[in-house]
Amino acid sequence: EAQVTQNPRYLITVTGKKLTVTCSQNMNHEYMSWYRQDPGLGLRQIYYSMNVEVTDKGDVPEGYKVSRKEKRNFPLILESPSPNQTSLYFCASRPGPPPNGNTIYFGEGSWLTVV
Amino acid sequence: AQTVTQSQPEMSVQEAETVTLSCTYDTSESNYYLFWYKQPPSRQMILVIRQEAYKQQNATENRFSVNFQKAAKSFSLKISDSQLGDTAMYFCAFMKPPTLDSNYQLIWGAGTKLIIKP
Repeated sequence: EAQVTQNPRYLITVTGKKLTVTCSQNMNHEYMSWYRQDPGLGLRQIYYSMNVEVTDKGDVPEGYKVSRKEKRNFPLILESPSPNQTSLYFCASRPGPPPNGNTIYFGEGSWLTVV
Repeated sequence: AQTVTQSQPEMSVQEAETVTLSCTYDTSESNYYLFWYKQPPSRQMILVIRQEAYKQQNATENRFSVNFQKAAKSFSLKISDSQLGDTAMYFCAFMKPPTLDSNYQLIWGAGTKLIIKP
């Protein structure tokens, strides 16, 4: 079954304690991205990756890091989390080149609370 | 910069009624894609319907259809014979066609909370 898997799904952590949210897809997709969802703001892109070892900032990258060492994995790293990073996070993937590049697959979301 | 506006923060209708959610967008592009996503209480993002801007015919998926007005930059979603399971947040999103070098970014509206009452 084609899927994007995120872990953990729910996490409460303390300010400053480094954490990683993992994301893995089994569709051999080239493109992966991370979004955060906050009330009244829709989804905003944090980082994206167009292929292995190719990453770039989205609209709200401050406080986050990513890596893409393998095609299937795209972890989101919060080096020193702060309460304003409390949010719902989504990982997404899609095939690279057209014509299928507009078919997007989302993970189930990760609820992160920073206290 | 592209923007997407959903002017209805919340709507509620009776079961079996028809409801229309509005979405407007701003772009100078001529070729692009538009999407409606549904997010039920489980928070999963589910694609409802997709429209390519170069297609004049409005997309339809079972009870869901769109009214795509390219000149007006409007992309409304109509849900016919609404069901309790349609209760969810609905997001409109815009995307330029992907290229080998460009960001595949989706621009999202803020969402409309739709409540179907029994």
